[in-house]
Amino acid sequence: GDSVTQMEGPVTLSEEACLTINCTYTATGYPSLFWYVQYPGEGLQLLLKATKADDKGSNKGFEATYRKETTSFHLEKGSVQVSDSAVYFCALNDYKLSFGAGTTVTVRA
Amino acid sequence: KAGVTQTPRYLIKTRGQQVTLSCSPISGHRSVSWYQQTPGQGLQFLFEYFSETQRNKGNFPGRFSGRQFSNSRSEMNVSTLELGDSALYLCASSLGNQGDTEAFFGQGTRLTVV
Repeated sequence: GDSVTQMEGPVTLSEEACLTINCTYTATGYPSLFWYVQYPGEGLQLLLKATKADDKGSNKGFEATYRKETTSFHLEKGSVQVSDSAVYFCALNDYKLSFGAGTTVTVRA
Repeated sequence: KAGVTQTPRYLIKTRGQQVTLSCSPISGHRSVSWYQQTPGQGLQFLFEYFSETQRNKGNFPGRFSGRQFSNSRSEMNVSTLELGDSALYLCASSLGNQGDTEAFFGQGTRLTVV
């Protein structure tokens, strides 16, 4: 079935550093791709999405591009803040959301 | 616009008991999906309801069941609780139409089985 593999964490960064979280997927069709973020004690919030190849999703300084040729959807941010500390999940949507294992990101001041 | 509301936020139950969790979706959303989140297994799909019918189902035992009401509110029931059922249960709502891809999550219900 469809699945998502994302970079294992945890990742610890200093403020203003660059962040990249790798995500690759396996799918029979052309699913929509998502990045969700989960803050401590909270549910999941949609961070960004892309619905077709070469689409770029962006939000709050985060970006990810749907790459069909490499089956990837890597998350990037050029300058992280302490408030970006959270768990990030890559996901694809066929009839349900299939999630990666999650990457815990800690940003230190 | 109100978000997805899950109640209760926290529950403690004893092995062998049953539990019912509730989810109120965003107004106008007809699809409700349930997910289980645990440290070991991550996020796993339980089932989806659309217009009061179960439309999709994950690989969970029959102890896990759900239903959806005419106002789209959904409940999830777990019978004969086991220690391994301790988890954060998340509900997601969406329009549910073909081509609609965006799901909105509630804050979850944290179930602890002792």
